[in-house]
Amino acid sequence: QVELQESGPGLVKPSETLSLTCSVSGGSVSRNSYYWSWIRQPPGKGLEWIGYIYYSGTTNYNPSLKSRVSISIDTSQNQFSLKLRSVTAADTAVYYCARESWLVRTIAFDMWGQGTMVTVSS
Amino acid sequence: SYVLTQPPSVSVAPGQTARITCGGNNIGSKSVHWYQQKPGQAPAPVVYDDSDRPSGIPERFSGSNSGNTATLIISRVEAGDEADYYCQVWDSSSDHPRVFGGGTKLTVL
Repeated sequence: QVELQESGPGLVKPSETLSLTCSVSGGSVSRNSYYWSWIRQPPGKGLEWIGYIYYSGTTNYNPSLKSRVSISIDTSQNQFSLKLRSVTAADTAVYYCARESWLVRTIAFDMWGQGTMVTVSS
Repeated sequence: SYVLTQPPSVSVAPGQTARITCGGNNIGSKSVHWYQQKPGQAPAPVVYDDSDRPSGIPERFSGSNSGNTATLIISRVEAGDEADYYCQVWDSSSDHPRVFGGGTKLTVL
């Protein structure tokens, strides 16, 4: 059974960089069947896709965050990471890592981490 | 980028059928996924590709998609179905290829 687990600081100061890691167990991030994504959810609000990375290192980001986001993958550690620069209070959210798998016609998020709350505050 | 519109809330009595809509321009030409999120938990898929159920999801959960509206249908609603539900599409031709709807709170009366 594949499990995803987010880790990182729960508190980040404004203008600094938010850094989170997603550790994957029970499966390999190197398989070409999957995309690995970050998704966030501000308190009391809906889900926002941040971006994904493929095992090859190919990335795709939400245009609204693209100038501040980078996602990387470490196949040796079986994990992938998120960096979000120049954070403000608007970046306060629960951050989820998730796996996307290919279905018959499309691709969908089939496995999610439990989420980690990140607060931006001085 | 592509926009998905959901009603903020839907209420239904136990045993009845709940219908949660997801509107989008020509959404019938896309595949729609639905996720259930209970308080304090991560979202979990309940319907893939408009109407397919992941393993372990009861047959009470189904979906349809045509024209400008996709619909999640929950038959014989139970108290345990009370949750937030999100639709999502894969817009492969867009620079914003993963889009979520705003979410719908399902209340079981």
